[in-house]
Amino acid sequence: DAGITQSPRYKITETGRQVTLMCHQTWSHSYMFWYRQDLGHGLRLIYYSAAADITDKGEVPDGYVVSRSKTENFPLTLESATRSQTSVYFCASKERGTYNEQFFGPGTRLTVL
Amino acid sequence: AQTVTQSQPEMSVQEAETVTLSCTYDTSENNYYLFWYKQPPSRQMILVIRQEAYKQQNATENRFSVNFQKAAKSFSLKISDSQLGDTAMYFCAFMKPLSGSRLTFGEGTQLTVNP
Repeated sequence: DAGITQSPRYKITETGRQVTLMCHQTWSHSYMFWYRQDLGHGLRLIYYSAAADITDKGEVPDGYVVSRSKTENFPLTLESATRSQTSVYFCASKERGTYNEQFFGPGTRLTVL
Repeated sequence: AQTVTQSQPEMSVQEAETVTLSCTYDTSENNYYLFWYKQPPSRQMILVIRQEAYKQQNATENRFSVNFQKAAKSFSLKISDSQLGDTAMYFCAFMKPLSGSRLTFGEGTQLTVNP
């Protein structure tokens, strides 16, 4: 599929389990991002990456781990899921250049029971 | 740290009418970028319009335009000739240069266009 994809689209897990959300983009964009969307908070940045093997924390990084060994993939791992991590997760990518548009994936709805 | 505030959680408008969504932000930066994103029920995030702070002229994209007031730190979105397909959550977002292109979003405004 062309563009930016996320998998799975829906996930239900239990407290304490490890969960990995996948993000893949076909444009070879340099930048990739993970956001979470919660009612009353809009989207908040979890982690971002400026290039392969370069990642940095965003606004709400606690409880999450990322890696970027290849330019096109940016997985997000919840090492020990908590109920507060129930949310909709969006991956995004953009090319270098401040004014360039961020393109968003379709989102993953994660429920932690 | 930058903050973005959208003070209208919900708004409604009749089809074909004009509506304005408000956004204010707080920053000490002089140069930055502002965006409006639309999120329809499909959940897909779609860029509507963007504005560079150093440009005085307000951005326009077809039926969408902004009123950018730099001194007041205000960035409102005007939708003219509203259509049913404009029904969506609208997010205002802020980005400063050399920040890794990170976006700071407001809480969103749910717009409903009524027939």
